[in-house]
Amino acid sequence: KQEVTQIPAALSVPEGENLVLNCSFTDSAIYNLQWFRQDPGKGLTSLLLIQSSQREQTSGRLNASLDKSSGRSTLYIAASQPGDSATYLCAVEEYGNKLVFGAGTILRVKS
Amino acid sequence: GAVVSQHPSRVICKSGTSVKIECRSLDFQATTMFWYRQFPKQSLMLMATSNEGSKATYEQGVEKDKFLINHASLTLSTLTVTSAHPEDSSFYICSARRGQGNTGELFFGEGSRLTVL
Repeated sequence: KQEVTQIPAALSVPEGENLVLNCSFTDSAIYNLQWFRQDPGKGLTSLLLIQSSQREQTSGRLNASLDKSSGRSTLYIAASQPGDSATYLCAVEEYGNKLVFGAGTILRVKS
Repeated sequence: GAVVSQHPSRVICKSGTSVKIECRSLDFQATTMFWYRQFPKQSLMLMATSNEGSKATYEQGVEKDKFLINHASLTLSTLTVTSAHPEDSSFYICSARRGQGNTGELFFGEGSRLTVL
């Protein structure tokens, strides 16, 4: 059974700091991996999607990497801003359309 | 861009009543929609996969008779929580896949918070 773990569970950083969020998964037979952002009481916003054949994806200040063989992904946020404060969720998509989510990392960027 | 709309965003009901939550893809057709549940401070858990014109596929441990899913058209899936109880109080989120197979992008609704008194 696929399990997705995110570390740390919570993170508080001063504005401007670069930071890394970690995601690990137990079964490397995945179709893709996605990083999402969730604001309190809201739905999900897709940030980056990495296909299983890819190593990384970049969008603005965000960079996500994928090492499928070791079952790991990282989300790098450069020059963090207070508006980046949210819960960040990692999810792997298994064959058969199923998304398995991690518990998330709660990020707080202090101004 | 593509948008998935959920309604209602919040609902409070008495124990024993049934509640229907709608999930609509507003500008694309979705042959597959997904329903997730999220308890406080926990991650999203897939409840069921809804395919247009056929029966939903439920995840292990999810009662199909309690959580009725209807995907009657390519733009609408509904989740009905029947005879709701306080333990059903949760945040329910749907997602819709644009296109066929596993290659279409997934879009998520804003979620529906159910509180059962």
